[in-house]
Amino acid sequence: DAGVIQSPRHEVTEMGQEVTLRCKPISGHDYLFWYRQTMMRGLELLIYFNNNVPIDDSGMPEDRFSAKMPNASFSTLKIQPSEPRDSAVYFCASSLGGHGYEKHTEAFFGQGTRLTVV
Amino acid sequence: RKEVEQDPGPFNVPEGATVAFNCTYSNSASQSFFWYRQDCRKEPKLLMSVYSSGNEDGRFTAQLNRASQYISLLIRDSKLSDSATYLCVVNLRSGGSYIPTFGRGTSLIVHP
Repeated sequence: DAGVIQSPRHEVTEMGQEVTLRCKPISGHDYLFWYRQTMMRGLELLIYFNNNVPIDDSGMPEDRFSAKMPNASFSTLKIQPSEPRDSAVYFCASSLGGHGYEKHTEAFFGQGTRLTVV
Repeated sequence: RKEVEQDPGPFNVPEGATVAFNCTYSNSASQSFFWYRQDCRKEPKLLMSVYSSGNEDGRFTAQLNRASQYISLLIRDSKLSDSATYLCVVNLRSGGSYIPTFGRGTSLIVHP
């Protein structure tokens, strides 16, 4: 398996533009997570999906952020309109969850998208 | 209070030294625990899982104290290549799921 694949690796955009980040999780994994990493706040969970269904988006900073998972092999994180304070590294991760209260496996990360909004 | 707390460091140690990192978590219902390593401008990668009985992988030893809600990582005989940020990860219970929640990371610099 190629692991979690994210695109693009780098994105530089102007304030006000729409940005779309893409993620392909590991085949068979039923959990997908979007994280944002900054020097100030570390790794923050934005949203996660279970079996393609968004479960908790309480970490999404504002309505400008939205995420979708139309099928088990693809997810997007969209920022519209983008602002300079959105500049960060955005990671997608996937894991295999158990059923009920069983523990998850570890999360596997993509290489991240480094976003710069100028 | 953050759910997972770590000393950010940096820890600056000479080659061959032994160094220990600590981590505390706030949710007693947490189930799974991990240490990840993150190199500069790279993604976090699993270093090792942490089991209740403690576990060792070569020069690395992880310990879990559920009563104190405390996790540790010990690195013996440090190598230059151990320089990285070490992230404590706790799978926190959320409904029927367990969500990987990360500490801020502890920076380690190993010098000659």
